[in-house]
Amino acid sequence: TQLLEQSPQFLSIQEGENLTVYCNSSSVFSSLQWYRQEPGEGPVLLVTVVTGGEVKKLKRLTFQFGDARKDSSLHITAAQTGDTGLYLCAGWVSGTYKYIFGTGTRLKVLA
Amino acid sequence: DAGVIQSPRHEVTEMGQEVTLRCKPISGHNSLFWYRQTMMRGLELLIYFNNNVPIDDSGMPEDRFSAKMPNASFSTLKIQPSEPRDSAVYFCASSSGEDPRRDFGDGTRLSIL
Repeated sequence: TQLLEQSPQFLSIQEGENLTVYCNSSSVFSSLQWYRQEPGEGPVLLVTVVTGGEVKKLKRLTFQFGDARKDSSLHITAAQTGDTGLYLCAGWVSGTYKYIFGTGTRLKVLA
Repeated sequence: DAGVIQSPRHEVTEMGQEVTLRCKPISGHNSLFWYRQTMMRGLELLIYFNNNVPIDDSGMPEDRFSAKMPNASFSTLKIQPSEPRDSAVYFCASSSGEDPRRDFGDGTRLSIL
């Protein structure tokens, strides 16, 4: 069974702090996506990473794909209350047609 | 451009009743997915269609669940009879060709009493 484990499961921080969310698997992924989901809405794509070791930046968010394409991280600098939400990683398992979602990290940023 | 459109947004009904959830994918997308989300189990794939044909329904919990896609712009997920354990948020998503991303609707929050 392919699994994408995210950690931490829950995170509550003060505005202005930095944080990192991790997404780990024993499977290799041909690509990996990060989504953010706000209450009452569906997940919205933030970024896609494809190449092992790739780093992408989206304003205060930095995404990294592991060299072996089995893991990824999301780092948020100077968190804002608008960053509150559920963060999901997801990816295509290499060599299969399986697209799986991670277990999710629920982030709350306090003013 | 319109995104994925789901209806209804909320549904509250008594157990034993039939429930039908509806989805209109993004025009031009050829794959459609039905997901269920709960706190305990996260986001689970129920079924997906490619070019209106069901490809993988291994995630459908049991025979009470059925899904159809009569044309490229419409799909339904039906639960009959409904049970309290079916209470969850049901999402429809669509995608295009080789693009791995999923575009999600805003979901239907289903409560079975």
